[in-house]
Amino acid sequence: SQELEQSPQSLIVQEGKNLTINCTSSKTLYGLYWYKQKYGEGLIFLMMLQKGGEEKSHEKITAKLDEKKQQSSLHITASQPSHAGIYLCGAGRMDSNYQLIWGAGTKLIIKP
Amino acid sequence: GAVVSQHPSRVICKSGTSVKIECRSLDFQATTMFWYRQFPKKSLMLMATSNEGSKATYEQGVEKDKFLINHASLTLSTLTVTSAHPEDSSFYICSAIAGPNNEQFFGPGTRLTVL
Repeated sequence: SQELEQSPQSLIVQEGKNLTINCTSSKTLYGLYWYKQKYGEGLIFLMMLQKGGEEKSHEKITAKLDEKKQQSSLHITASQPSHAGIYLCGAGRMDSNYQLIWGAGTKLIIKP
Repeated sequence: GAVVSQHPSRVICKSGTSVKIECRSLDFQATTMFWYRQFPKKSLMLMATSNEGSKATYEQGVEKDKFLINHASLTLSTLTVTSAHPEDSSFYICSAIAGPNNEQFFGPGTRLTVL
């Protein structure tokens, strides 16, 4: 079965610094989703990547999917307190049009 | 964008009682909704896929008689935790499919505490 591994599990970053979160799949990814969750709240959709080599940006967050479609990275530039939260990657399941499998999440703390 | 609401946001109940959680798509119709459970510091665990007008599809290991799902309309799915016990305490999140890329839009979650 397909598994998603996220790294690091947690990250403490000084405000203003850049950071990267990785999501690695044991199999080829067919649709990779990035979500953000604040503690005790629902998930907010950030970006979706489908094509090998694809890169998308939204404000200061950039997500990339590698050519082999087995790894995605989420990069935040000049981090701000509003970036704090848990970042989850999700991948489309081979046996379902809609269901996703999930990474364990990366907890991001921004130090002022 | 697509908005999904959940009610209640928090519920505390006594062991043995049943609790109903509602998931609504506010500005779109959702033929498919998902129910997840999230444990502290853990990822989302898919419990079941809720299909409008038909029976829910449960993931392996999830008791369908324990977690009753009803998707009676295109904007509402309900999850009823029957005879709740302390081990059912958790954060329950629903999502609905919308958009051209079949994105999942999540509700804000419901924190269930069973005493």
